[in-house]
Amino acid sequence: QLRLQESGPRLVKPSETLSLTCNVSGGSIRSSSHYWGWIRQPPGKGLEWIGSVYYSGSTYYKPSLKSRVTLSVDTSKNQFSLKLNSVTAADTALYYCARHLLYTSRQFDYWGQGILVTVSS
Amino acid sequence: SYVLTQPPSVSVAPGQTARITCGGNAIGTKNVHWYQQKPGQAPVLVVYDDDDRPSGIPERFSGSNSGNTATLTITRVEAGDEADYYCQVWDSRSDYVIFGGGTRLTVL
Repeated sequence: QLRLQESGPRLVKPSETLSLTCNVSGGSIRSSSHYWGWIRQPPGKGLEWIGSVYYSGSTYYKPSLKSRVTLSVDTSKNQFSLKLNSVTAADTALYYCARHLLYTSRQFDYWGQGILVTVSS
Repeated sequence: SYVLTQPPSVSVAPGQTARITCGGNAIGTKNVHWYQQKPGQAPVLVVYDDDDRPSGIPERFSGSNSGNTATLTITRVEAGDEADYYCQVWDSRSDYVIFGGGTRLTVL
């Protein structure tokens, strides 16, 4: 059974960089059929896709976040990572990592449990 | 940019049928996916590619998609179906993933 687990600092200061890692177990991140993505959910609000990365390092991002986001993958550790710079209180959210298909469907079939990140001084 | 519109809330009595809509321009030309999210839990995929169900999802959950509206239908609603439901598509033109705003299903 595939498992995804987010990790990283839960408190980040304004203007600094939020860094999270998603560890994948029970399967390989080198899947030729899947992307690995990040989705966030501000408290009490809906889901927002941030971006996704392929095991080769190919990425695509939500346009409005693209200038602040960097996604990367470490196949040797079976992990992928999110960096979001210049954070503000508006970036406070529950951050999920998840897997989706490479092709036109792109549904998220496995999700991590989420990690709450608060932006505050 | 492409927008998906969902009603904020839907209420239904136990045993009845709930229908949750997701509106978008020509959404019938896209693959629509639906997620169920219960309080304190990660979302769970309940319908994908308009009308397919992942293994383990009850047959009570079904979907349809045509024109400008996709619909998630839950028959014989149970108290355990009370949750937030989100629709999602991939906009191939802009190459990004979009979620609807979510619908809270209340079982009366």
